[in-house]
Amino acid sequence: GQNIDQPTEMTATEGAIVQINCTYQTSGFNGLFWYQQHAGEAPTFLSYNVLDGLEEKGRFSSFLSRSKGYSYLLLKELQMKDSASYLCAGLDTGRRALTFGSGTRLQVQP
Amino acid sequence: GAGVSQSPRYKVAKRGQDVALRCDPISGHVSLFWYQQALGQGPEFLTYFQNEAQLDKSGLPSDRFFAERPEGSVSTLKIQRTQQEDSAVYLCASSPPAGERRYEQYFGPGTRLTVT
Repeated sequence: GQNIDQPTEMTATEGAIVQINCTYQTSGFNGLFWYQQHAGEAPTFLSYNVLDGLEEKGRFSSFLSRSKGYSYLLLKELQMKDSASYLCAGLDTGRRALTFGSGTRLQVQP
Repeated sequence: GAGVSQSPRYKVAKRGQDVALRCDPISGHVSLFWYQQALGQGPEFLTYFQNEAQLDKSGLPSDRFFAERPEGSVSTLKIQRTQQEDSAVYLCASSPPAGERRYEQYFGPGTRLTVT
């Protein structure tokens, strides 16, 4: 099984950069996901990392260190619409189910 | 094409009633997942289908929960004798069959179940 930890809440300013951390413990690792979820809406896929390193997609980047059991999501040039919950989720070897953390609620202020 | 759809979007049930929640996955997606999301929490896995086969039901919280996908497309999650602790959003997700994106799960809008 997996244990996923991430901060509960974060606040940042429009135009700034924010980093949301996630640590995980697992008996078998097959990748780490980040999802964005606006209140009352479905989670939407942001990124999937299975190898160490940084993957960049526009304003969003995701980093993974397998040896440290650590990932982060980096959001640049924050916009008000980025206010949402960000869910870190791990995938175990041999399973297809995702194990989610409780989510980090990000509030972007003007 | 169309995304994952779920119905109803909202359901209010009296304690003890049975409910059925429907999921229409993205066309061509063979993998289908059900998750339960309590307020302020991340989704928790309930069950997984590949085509019509239920390959993992380890997350179903009790024998009151039952899921089926008889023809490998539409799935129904049934909850019998609902209890207040069943109040949550029930999310359905589907994944493409192969390729780089086969592990990505695409979520529907969910059904918000309130048991009174």
